[in-house]
Amino acid sequence: GQNIDQPTEMTATEGAIVQINCTYQTSGFNGLFWYQQHAGEAPTFLSYNVLDGLEEKGRFSSFLSRSKGYSYLLLKELQMKDSASYLCAAMDSNYQLIWGAGTKLIIKP
Amino acid sequence: IAGITQAPTSQILAAGRRMTLRCTQDMRHNAMYWYRQDLGLGLRLIHYSNTAGTTGKGEVPDGYSVSRANTDDFPLTLASAVPSQTSVYFCASSTGTGGTDTQYFGPGTRLTVL
Repeated sequence: GQNIDQPTEMTATEGAIVQINCTYQTSGFNGLFWYQQHAGEAPTFLSYNVLDGLEEKGRFSSFLSRSKGYSYLLLKELQMKDSASYLCAAMDSNYQLIWGAGTKLIIKP
Repeated sequence: IAGITQAPTSQILAAGRRMTLRCTQDMRHNAMYWYRQDLGLGLRLIHYSNTAGTTGKGEVPDGYSVSRANTDDFPLTLASAVPSQTSVYFCASSTGTGGTDTQYFGPGTRLTVL
């Protein structure tokens, strides 16, 4: 079956660094997406990885290891506005997204 | 309009009633999707459309139907609502080119079935 696993909740301190992990099992693989979702709002796109390695985009970076079925999202210099849920989604062989349940990130001052 | 709009924003519905959730995009995207989001679960695909005139079933299609008469609109209909359909419904669209095909989401419809 197809499955995405990520932690339910994480807590971090303003100004710090946090890493949110995601493991996936899909029928075929066409890339790994990260989305941010603030409470009561729609998911918004953060990053896409299809090749192994690290993609950096400002304070956010995303890493992929296809052989391990593993990705992480790294958030640096945390700000209070980063408090949100972070959704991991893998694209399968039919180009459909399989979604994790999301990681709720709580930022404390 | 810029992006994707959904209507209504929220709705309380009696069980057994028929309801259509509306979704319109102005990005000329080929592909459109309907998801439901429930607490503790990931987004689950209900139905999708790769291009106008075609639709497909997702992971949880039972009790829902869709149509795609044109590029812009993708309504979702609950023929006879049941309490288990209480959820937040998101419509999304993408270019439909596969691979780096980023999905963009509407603001959602919060539906309560009593």
